[in-house]
Amino acid sequence: DAKTTQPPSMDCAEGRAANLPCNHSTISGNEYVYWYRQIHSQGPQYIIHGLKNNETNEMASLIITEDRKSSTLILPHATLRDTAVYYCIVRGEGAQKLVFGQGTRLTINP
Amino acid sequence: DAGITQSPRYKITETGRQVTLMCHQTWSHSYMFWYRQDLGHGLRLIYYSAAADITDKGEVPDGYVVSRSKTENFPLTLESATRSQTSVYFCASSKGATNQPQHFGDGTRLSIL
Repeated sequence: DAKTTQPPSMDCAEGRAANLPCNHSTISGNEYVYWYRQIHSQGPQYIIHGLKNNETNEMASLIITEDRKSSTLILPHATLRDTAVYYCIVRGEGAQKLVFGQGTRLTINP
Repeated sequence: DAGITQSPRYKITETGRQVTLMCHQTWSHSYMFWYRQDLGHGLRLIYYSAAADITDKGEVPDGYVVSRSKTENFPLTLESATRSQTSVYFCASSKGATNQPQHFGDGTRLSIL
């Protein structure tokens, strides 16, 4: 699975959009980009995933660049409850395990 | 919608004891997984199961045993617990292996004295 690079920490004001970047320059054609988050003392929570096209669900939007070497997770209206560690994961089709890196610690400030 | 539940949430035991961590999911997902999370290592896959009676090793299986007699349950047993197995254990499930997200329980925090 391709390696990902994320900033270790970010801050965002409550009510604003939080944009979390991820680099995955060695991604291959059949690898998906997944985003999870982990709030302190809870299990990882699935947010969204995509292959090539941009994706949106009730939690977030995922923007993948045309060359697929990077992506951005967007939380459109961040709340205090969005404070968590966010993980960008590249996973091959059919791969069993998820490989969690260090992630980005996102802090939403009032 | 109960989802995926793990029990117990917290467990303290002694070295050499056998301990079983339970995982139950109500989605009828085919795949189930056990991970452990330690500082400095992130989450590591211990075992996974593609269906009832089918299990396979992950990257850190030594010292652990699993079984899957029913689709909804996937217990993890430490047959003779060691201090190095002190960790937070997460169970997850997914509909399938291909392009399907894994959904996690809230974990069991296990301390071995």
